[in-house]
Amino acid sequence: TQLLEQSPQFLSIQEGENLTVYCNSSSVFSSLQWYRQEPGEGPVLLVTVVTGGEVKKLKRLTFQFGDARKDSSLHITAAQPGDTGLYLCAGSFSGNTGKLIFGQGTTLQVKP
Amino acid sequence: NAGVTQTPKFQVLKTGQSMTLQCAQDMNHNSMYWYRQDPGMGLRLIYYSASEGTTDKGEVPNGYNVSRLNKREFSLRLESAAPSQTSVYFCASRSGYNLVEAFFGQGTRLTVV
Repeated sequence: TQLLEQSPQFLSIQEGENLTVYCNSSSVFSSLQWYRQEPGEGPVLLVTVVTGGEVKKLKRLTFQFGDARKDSSLHITAAQPGDTGLYLCAGSFSGNTGKLIFGQGTTLQVKP
Repeated sequence: NAGVTQTPKFQVLKTGQSMTLQCAQDMNHNSMYWYRQDPGMGLRLIYYSASEGTTDKGEVPNGYNVSRLNKREFSLRLESAAPSQTSVYFCASRSGYNLVEAFFGQGTRLTVV
């Protein structure tokens, strides 16, 4: 059982649709990050959220950190084929342990 | 900048063979990580090193050992490879702890037959 549960695991939508990906845990995180991974490459950071309730926007992507710092969501507005990829959430624990764990990932396919 | 460099990129092993995956970063980062990636499982943490001289177990450490050789290098060793260790392995590093970005290597695709 992974500490970070992502849903859905797979999502196939048409260009222009909106979508939300969820990342949930029973653990409290000091910060949560979202990464995007292309085939054959390592993940690349999209955003870091730190404060409970925090909302960050990156163009058409909106990230939210839950009030209790146990969950997060990624919302994409008007998805484009270029958004296709694997989206991963990652959590860091309090106490500066250095430990960084990832969720199972959400594979997004946006069809033109 | 090279960033995080992993070697080799591909490897095929027979069951029971041993090998070491090498990872080096040139960003003067304190923390280094080894993950494995399997379909539908995301990235699972094998071992990490929060700073030079320390290593800690992650979520799936069984069957692996690590060495933080110096600040730049963090190696992952499979003493007796098993088919269940067939996976893509990623090394990552970051400068501090909770707020900073982790930078990843290109991955090593390992097949154990």
